[in-house]
Amino acid sequence: DTEVTQTPKHLVMGMTNKKSLKCEQHMGHRAMYWYKQKAKKPPELMFVYSYEKLSINESVPSRFSPECPNSSLLNLHLHALQPEDSALYLCASSHVGLAGGHTYNEQFFGPGTRLTVL
Amino acid sequence: QKEVEQNSGPLSVPEGAIASLNCTYSDRVSQSFFWYRQYSGKSPELIMSIYSNGDKEDGRFTAQLNKASQYVSLLIRDSQPSDSATYLCAVKSVGNEKLTFGTGTRLTIIP
Repeated sequence: DTEVTQTPKHLVMGMTNKKSLKCEQHMGHRAMYWYKQKAKKPPELMFVYSYEKLSINESVPSRFSPECPNSSLLNLHLHALQPEDSALYLCASSHVGLAGGHTYNEQFFGPGTRLTVL
Repeated sequence: QKEVEQNSGPLSVPEGAIASLNCTYSDRVSQSFFWYRQYSGKSPELIMSIYSNGDKEDGRFTAQLNKASQYVSLLIRDSQPSDSATYLCAVKSVGNEKLTFGTGTRLTIIP
């Protein structure tokens, strides 16, 4: 299985709602990532989990709360979002660590969740 | 500030010709280099990775890396209309799980 899956595909929420985005991979990867992508811009890293521990938080507002329940699952909990948070949210996964002097860190992306905040 | 630069395009190439996409990076300790293809409204798809100087070929795609010049490129031979997409260059440094993306080059293959 070489696929990263994300649910839901589309999400519309109000500014007072609480919702969660889910991501799953079964490639044995121990690093998982959340990215945010606005139109015509590259993906912007939000969080990195390595061995189920949060290793990078790119100064993301606290209204975004990540969770990594196990090595295959990654959640992003959303609360009190703003309209400017509307974007494509991408999950990715990769191996961690060194192999033969190189770091093989090919990141594979899921299909994304298109989020609209009203 | 680690930077990855790409020409944003649009780059227009006739069908059947070679499309050449270029990327430069500023961080000399960068070790891993990736090309992603992204269709409009879809997620990035990894098409090539390269770690050593020289060329790496996969089907119609060839990635070229020159660490001395801090330059990585992607050649697409026999371009097809289905190759029309935005191509993102991404760079990773040793000991860092973070990918740094370029702004992407929009490629259009003209039938």
